[in-house]
Amino acid sequence: GQNIDQPTEMTATEGAIVQINCTYQTSGFNGLFWYQQHAGEAPTFLSYNVLDGLEEKGRFSSFLSRSKGYSYLLLKELQMKDSASYLCAVTPLDRDNYGQNFVFGPGTRLSVLP
Amino acid sequence: KAGVTQTPRYLIKTRGQQVTLSCSPISGHRSVSWYQQTPGQGLQFLFEYFSETQRNKGNFPGRFSGRQFSNSRSEMNVSTLELGDSALYLCASGGQGSANEKLFFGSGTQLSVL
Repeated sequence: GQNIDQPTEMTATEGAIVQINCTYQTSGFNGLFWYQQHAGEAPTFLSYNVLDGLEEKGRFSSFLSRSKGYSYLLLKELQMKDSASYLCAVTPLDRDNYGQNFVFGPGTRLSVLP
Repeated sequence: KAGVTQTPRYLIKTRGQQVTLSCSPISGHRSVSWYQQTPGQGLQFLFEYFSETQRNKGNFPGRFSGRQFSNSRSEMNVSTLELGDSALYLCASGGQGSANEKLFFGSGTQLSVL
């Protein structure tokens, strides 16, 4: 089975740093994605991790530990526009079918306050 | 390059009716997947199509079905609508459909069942 957990809500101040955690238990694992979704809009891709370690992309970084089933998204120099839901998603590893059946976590709603 | 296009944007139906949603993926993309998003359950995978074939299927009843045409456009159908089917239905375009490719989401169809 698949189980992904994220905090439901987080609040941070403009200019600060926030870390959003994601833990997962899946029957197989290929990689982990992070998506951002503003209210009423489509999710948009932020990052992808397949190997252990940190991937940095501007103000956003994502970390993965495969052995611990753990990832985090780090947002630096927070801006008001970063107020959104952040979704982690796992792509299971299936020997018979290398399709795109993403398993999403419940999402973390981040509120950035002035 | 045009993004993922979903129509209609909003739909209101009554219980027992059926509905068809449409999705046009990004030009050149062969994989199309469908997700249901609700406040309580988050994003849940419905099915994925690749080259007109259903390659993966989530845990939804048989009332939910889909198809993909030769031009990669996809439709999903929900028959005998129930109140619990009220949700945002998101279509995602996935390139060549490998598990390490990111998904590009459309803006979704907001379905309300009365």
